[in-house]
Amino acid sequence: DSGVTQTPKHLITATGQRVTLRCSPRSGDLSVYWYQQSLDQGLQFLIQYYNGEERAKGNILERFSAQQFPDLHSELNLSSLELGDSALYFCASSPWGGSDNEQFFGPGTRLTVL
Amino acid sequence: AQKVTQAQTEISVVEKEDVTLDCVYETRDTTYYLFWYKQPPSGELVFLIRRNSFDEQNEISGRYSWNFQKSTSSFNFTITASQVVDSAVYFCALSEEAGGGSQGNLIFGKGTKLSVKP
Repeated sequence: DSGVTQTPKHLITATGQRVTLRCSPRSGDLSVYWYQQSLDQGLQFLIQYYNGEERAKGNILERFSAQQFPDLHSELNLSSLELGDSALYFCASSPWGGSDNEQFFGPGTRLTVL
Repeated sequence: AQKVTQAQTEISVVEKEDVTLDCVYETRDTTYYLFWYKQPPSGELVFLIRRNSFDEQNEISGRYSWNFQKSTSSFNFTITASQVVDSAVYFCALSEEAGGGSQGNLIFGKGTKLSVKP
């Protein structure tokens, strides 16, 4: 158990809908990352937050947004969902978000868009 | 541009065989970090090792060992006397010092699926 929690574990929804994925980092970790794992794209970095502020952005679509709250939990919002958004979404946390930090991954949320 | 290549898509071995998973990376940074993660069939990503670009010493942890060679931009992973429980997808990843080291996003390879048969 990495100490990172993600809810829900599974999510099934329809095209055009909006969903919210939630992540709680390990106790004491200030930085949260979101990654998407799909069969065709592999594991891709979406966005990073540190202590409530956005720190880095990767291949995140404009239909997707995220935030980190004062209690350090984070939410990833996916809107106008398309079939291609079906993927496993991971949250990871690290102590201060530096490039040398080991990242601890949550169990993931499997999103299926029908 | 930064990139991680794991050329072996799938490897199948019989228990007790040794197996090496290859990882080649590209980066313009002089300071960077390399990682290996394991993703068992249950789906979670488990951290195995972190190496910085200034430490080329090989590392051994039980049946696992890692060989880092800057000259060939490789960071290979060897499992000695493989076991069925080693069956998983293994990912190599790179983190660069760009941005003053404050951005730790990982660049992953496509992964190598290892199947260890009894």
